[in-house]
Amino acid sequence: GQNIDQPTEMTATEGAIVQINCTYQTSGFNGLFWYQQHAGEAPTFLSYNVLDGLEEKGRFSSFLSRSKGYSYLLLKELQMKDSASYLCAVASGGSYIPTFGRGTSLIVHP
Amino acid sequence: EAQVTQNPRYLITVTGKKLTVTCSQNMNHEYMSWYRQDPGLGLRQIYYSMNVEVTDKGDVPEGYKVSRKEKRNFPLILESPSPNQTSLYFCASSPRTGEDKILVYEQYFGPGTRLTVT
Repeated sequence: GQNIDQPTEMTATEGAIVQINCTYQTSGFNGLFWYQQHAGEAPTFLSYNVLDGLEEKGRFSSFLSRSKGYSYLLLKELQMKDSASYLCAVASGGSYIPTFGRGTSLIVHP
Repeated sequence: EAQVTQNPRYLITVTGKKLTVTCSQNMNHEYMSWYRQDPGLGLRQIYYSMNVEVTDKGDVPEGYKVSRKEKRNFPLILESPSPNQTSLYFCASSPRTGEDKILVYEQYFGPGTRLTVT
C-alpha cells in the first residue's frame, strides 16, 4: 500500500499564495490526484499528475516529483471561497485506483 | 445534467435494522465506488466495481455489501448496521481511460449520505 502524508491544517490570507504539500511512499506509481472538498459537500476533482513537473490550471497549479515521492498544490490569489479541505490521492502498487490521504484543511482569512 | 445521485441524503436508524443506500450515475461510467469519511481519517474506500457484475473489496469492507447488476446503479447494503458505521458516505463514478482502459481518472462524487446508527 501507500503512505500518504499531508499537513492537517493550514491558514493563509486572502490574496496571498499557499502551497499544500503531499508526500507519499509507494512503488509502482500510477498517478497523483488533488481534490477540493468544501465543508459538508462532495469532493471535486482539481488535477492529475503522472509525469514530473508543474501543471497549471488558472489560479491552481500542481507539481510532482516522482523520485522524491512529493507533490504540492499551489493556490494563487487566494479567495475566501478557497477555504476547504484539499485531498491528495495516489494510485500505485499495481493498482490504478487512487487511495486518499487524510486531507489538509485550508482556512483563508481576510 | 451529468451527475451521481444518492438516496437517502440523511438517515437515522437503529442497530441491526438492514438498510440500503442507493447510488446512480447517468454518465455511462464503468467504474463506481463507495467511500466513508470520518473526522481525522479521511476518505476510505469500502467497495468498488470496475464494471457490471465485477465488484471488489476496498480498504474497509467489513459490514457492507454491494451489487452491480446494471451499469448505472451501485447500491450499498448494511445487513446489520452497528454504531461504528455512523459516518458520511460518498458514492463516486469514473470513466476508465488510458491504454487498456485500466486507469481510474477523475472521479465524480455524489452529494453524500449522512448515516447515524444508534
